[in-house]
Amino acid sequence: EAGVTQFPSHSVIEKGQTVTLRCDPISGHDNLYWYRRVMGKEIKFLLHFVKESKQDESGMPNNRFLAERTGGTYSTLKVQPAELEDSGVYFCASSQTGTQGLLWTYNSPLHFGNGTRLTVT
Amino acid sequence: DAKTTQPNSMESNEEEPVHLPCNHSTISGTDYIHWYRQLPSQGPEYVIHGLTSNVNNRMASLAIAEDRKSSTLILHRATLRDAAVYYCILRAPNKFYFGSGTKLNVKP
Repeated sequence: EAGVTQFPSHSVIEKGQTVTLRCDPISGHDNLYWYRRVMGKEIKFLLHFVKESKQDESGMPNNRFLAERTGGTYSTLKVQPAELEDSGVYFCASSQTGTQGLLWTYNSPLHFGNGTRLTVT
Repeated sequence: DAKTTQPNSMESNEEEPVHLPCNHSTISGTDYIHWYRQLPSQGPEYVIHGLTSNVNNRMASLAIAEDRKSSTLILHRATLRDAAVYYCILRAPNKFYFGSGTKLNVKP
């Protein structure tokens, strides 16, 4: 099966510009997550989609970040306007929803993409 | 956030077993213990997970202390491909809390 793919792999933009990151999850995976690692810090959760609905967006840093998952397939993460502190690596991950109940779903492995390295200058 | 504590780095010789420790004294009864690893320029990769009992799969073994306040990831025969950052994660419903991980260096 094809893995999680992210595009672009690298993006360099100027402060104040807009950037849109895309994530294509593994086909059939209802759960889609965005994470990021900013320079020198740990990987942090941003948000979680179940199909097209936002299940949890508590990790979104501010209203300059907008995530969408129209149709419940691929997702986009837009940063507008970008700031210097937004530089880092943005990871997308997907997982299955189990038929054995929520506990199985919460513990099905996450499949990560290779990330988008965003540099804001 | 549920916290884990891991050594910053460890070193191993190729073909030898590696034991990567993790402390998670604040673990709650419903938290699963997950291990992921991240190779250079790649996203995190699932290794193994468990709740109370020890677990084995083709990649590794997971030994969980009886009180669940610590666990150990065991690579039975380290290879150069195993050089990566290993993350011990407590999974609360729909959230992973990544710590800083252990950077494993494997010497030929």
